[in-house]
Amino acid sequence: AQSVSQHNHHVILSEAASLELGCNYSYGGTVNLFWYVQYPGQHLQLLLKYFSGDPLVKGIKGFEAEFIKSKFSFNLRKPSVQWSDTAEYFCAAGGSYIPTFGRGTSLIVHP
Amino acid sequence: DGGITQSPKYLFRKEGQNVTLSCEQNLNHDAMYWYRQDPGQGLRLIYYSQIVNDFQKGDIAEGYSVSREKKESFPLTVTSAQKNPTAFYLCASSDTGNTEAFFGQGTRLTVV
Repeated sequence: AQSVSQHNHHVILSEAASLELGCNYSYGGTVNLFWYVQYPGQHLQLLLKYFSGDPLVKGIKGFEAEFIKSKFSFNLRKPSVQWSDTAEYFCAAGGSYIPTFGRGTSLIVHP
Repeated sequence: DGGITQSPKYLFRKEGQNVTLSCEQNLNHDAMYWYRQDPGQGLRLIYYSQIVNDFQKGDIAEGYSVSREKKESFPLTVTSAQKNPTAFYLCASSDTGNTEAFFGQGTRLTVV
């Protein structure tokens, strides 16, 4: 069975700090990887996705993620966070008809 | 605008009553999903459907039921058998499980 693990459940940063959120997956076969974000009061939306090709993926709002196959990881990064990045972040894996999500990381950015 | 519409946004029910949450999509997606979101537990899959008139149980299907009579609609019924129904429910759809999932705004159900 596929599974997704997110290492950090709560992260608190000051503006301009760098961000890295860990995500590891377990999946037998070809996997597609996603990061979603849920801003307060809003619906989940896609930040970025990896299907194949360049393992460094760039998404919206300055976010990027690196797929490292040997480590089964897909960590999310941003060099300098803003207050508006306060949200919940979910890593997800797909490859069948059933997207599997991690438990989420709550990020709070202090101005 | 294309998207997924969940209604209502907030729902209150008395314990022991069944309640149905609506989910409609106009994205022409084959696959639809229901997730339950609880603090610290992420999104847990309740039911999913890959095609009309077919659906499968997810990880936490007990106490829930669904139907998929139309491609665009995937309602979820929370029955009285669900022991802890108070939660935030999210509906999603995708072309297949390999592609991006699109989410509705969610329904917050409170059972008193």
